[in-house]
Amino acid sequence: EAGVVQSPRYKIIEKKQPVAFWCNPISGHNTLYWYRQNLGQGPELLIRYENEEAVDDSQLPKDRFSAERLKGVDSTLKIQPAELGDSAVYLCASSSTGMNTEAFFGQGTRLTVV
Amino acid sequence: DAKTTQPPSMDCAEGRAANLPCNHSTISGNEYVYWYRQIHSQGPQYIIHGLKNNETNEMASLIITEDRKSSTLILPHATLRDTAVYYCIVRVEPHTGGFKTIFGAGTRLFVKA
Repeated sequence: EAGVVQSPRYKIIEKKQPVAFWCNPISGHNTLYWYRQNLGQGPELLIRYENEEAVDDSQLPKDRFSAERLKGVDSTLKIQPAELGDSAVYLCASSSTGMNTEAFFGQGTRLTVV
Repeated sequence: DAKTTQPPSMDCAEGRAANLPCNHSTISGNEYVYWYRQIHSQGPQYIIHGLKNNETNEMASLIITEDRKSSTLILPHATLRDTAVYYCIVRVEPHTGGFKTIFGAGTRLFVKA
């Protein structure tokens, strides 16, 4: 069974440009997470979806970040415009519903803003 | 907000047991303790989780104290490939429904030959 798939694996863009990340969760997983991980730190939750509904986006910088999960499957995370401080690894994870379940992570997209 | 406290780094000799501690003194009765690890340039990988009882799987053992305020992850025979950052996480149930996995800074484990 395929795990969580993210693309691209790496992205380098100039500041003020837009960028988008894509995530395909594990089949059947209702919960999808986007995390941002800065160098030397643990992942920070940006947004959490239950099916197609964003149930927790309190940590998402809404002035420049947006996300969607059409049909409750794939998801995209967008930054427009990107700033130098957005350089980080963006991780997607998915899990089935319930407390006694684990989240599975993708490899992440390493974004460098120059 | 992470609800867990871990030492920033630890060393372990190859072949010996690695014991990674975690404090979660504010854990609620129905919140599970999860452990993940992250090897360089990869996404976090699930290791083990538990509620009250000690747990063991092919990767590790999890020992949770009776008061549930702390736990220890045990890698019984550490190898060089176990060098990674280990995260102890309490899975939080927010008012919005579903469950939240919140990471702290983790423990960087160095396994030395």
